Formats: sequence, structure tokens, C-alpha cells
Amino acid sequence: EPEVTQTPSHQVTQMGQEVILRCVPISNHLYFYWYRQILGQKVEFLVSFYNNEISEKSEIFDDQFSVERPDGSNFTLKIRSTKLEDSAMYFCASSEAWQVQETQYFGPGTRLLVL
Amino acid sequence: GQNIDQPTEMTATEGAIVQINCTYQTSGFNGLFWYQQHAGEAPTFLSYNVLDGLEEKGRFSSFLSRSKGYSYLLLKELQMKDSASYLCAVRSLGASGTYKYIFGTGTRLKVLA
Repeated sequence: EPEVTQTPSHQVTQMGQEVILRCVPISNHLYFYWYRQILGQKVEFLVSFYNNEISEKSEIFDDQFSVERPDGSNFTLKIRSTKLEDSAMYFCASSEAWQVQETQYFGPGTRLLVL
Repeated sequence: GQNIDQPTEMTATEGAIVQINCTYQTSGFNGLFWYQQHAGEAPTFLSYNVLDGLEEKGRFSSFLSRSKGYSYLLLKELQMKDSASYLCAVRSLGASGTYKYIFGTGTRLKVLA
């Protein structure tokens, strides 16, 4: 069964450093998403992406965040200058379409720890 | 504003039935999703409701009342492996005409033998 993959599974970085989290969505999916989940808290929507541009973003997704689809398979989330509060699990998700009964498939997540 | 409420924790016995409630307040409502999340893992899709009524899928059913801003997830014939967090998520139409997703804090279900 096709699945969303994410790399790395764990990332430790120093405050102020840039990190890039990578995702490979399911191959025929057109809509891509990033979420984060701080330990013990709820899943929070960050951004959705379609047709090589951001469709929607939340208040969390400020100027230090950016997303890119650099080639036909990868979808990346960049955090320019990490802060301690960026420590969280970051999930990528993809869906075939966003109308009607759309199902999002989540990747296994990247656990980011900012020291 | 947008808000989703669900109980923090529930406990039930193997073989029993449990109902997990979710109430929401949102503008531009366009569907309610239930996900299962085991500790340290990604959410996995369980069900989706956009119209009022009950959707049944094997041991899992989900109900929606849009006028009341209310949904529930019903789990029948509980198994130990059903011990997990159950996340209620609402999709709403965002400012640019595309969708935003708001998740509840999740209900941690413990199934006891």
C-alpha cells in the first residue's frame, strides 16, 4: 500500500539553526500538508500546498517557515531560525483531492528537538 | 472563533461499546473527521462526515449533527488494540477558498481487560 514517508525520523538542532524536514507524498496525490504536534498537545495545522503554491496557512506559519516542492516527489518544510518552542513532531500529509470525501494520509513524522 | 471540545480521557472494558463525543464551533464548516493516534505514531483516518447522520464502517461509526455542532465516534466490540487517542478534526473553508483543518486535543481511550 502506498504511504507517505518522512526523513529524518529524528532531528536535533541548536537554537537559531535552519532545519529542513523532508516528505515524499503518495505519488498520485495533489494536495500536501504540514502539521505539528507539540508533545502532549493537539495536532496543529501549519500549511496546505497545491499546484506549487501555498493554498492555506495558519497563524503559526509565520515568516520563519517555508515550504517547497523542489522536484516531482519531495515536499519540504524549512524552519529558518529554530526556536526552543519549535520542538515538536512534524507530520506531513497528502490527499488525492480536497473535495468531498478527501482522506489525508499522514507520514510517520519527524521529531524535532531544538536545544 | 474556532473551537473543538472532546473529553480528555475515557476508560472502557474489552468487548464493550464506547461513545466519544466532540462539539465544535467553526465558520465555513465543510466536514468532520475522526482519526486514531497511537502514542508516538501518526494519526490514521477513521471516518468522515459532511452531512447529518450516521456513517458506519465495521466496528466504528460516526455521527454528525451540523445544527448542534456535535459529532460522536462509536466503537463497538472494543479490543485492547483500540487503546489510543481519538482525534476529532473539523475542516472549514479558509479565506482563500481552500480548506483549513482544526484538531481537537484528542480523547485518550484506555481499554481494560
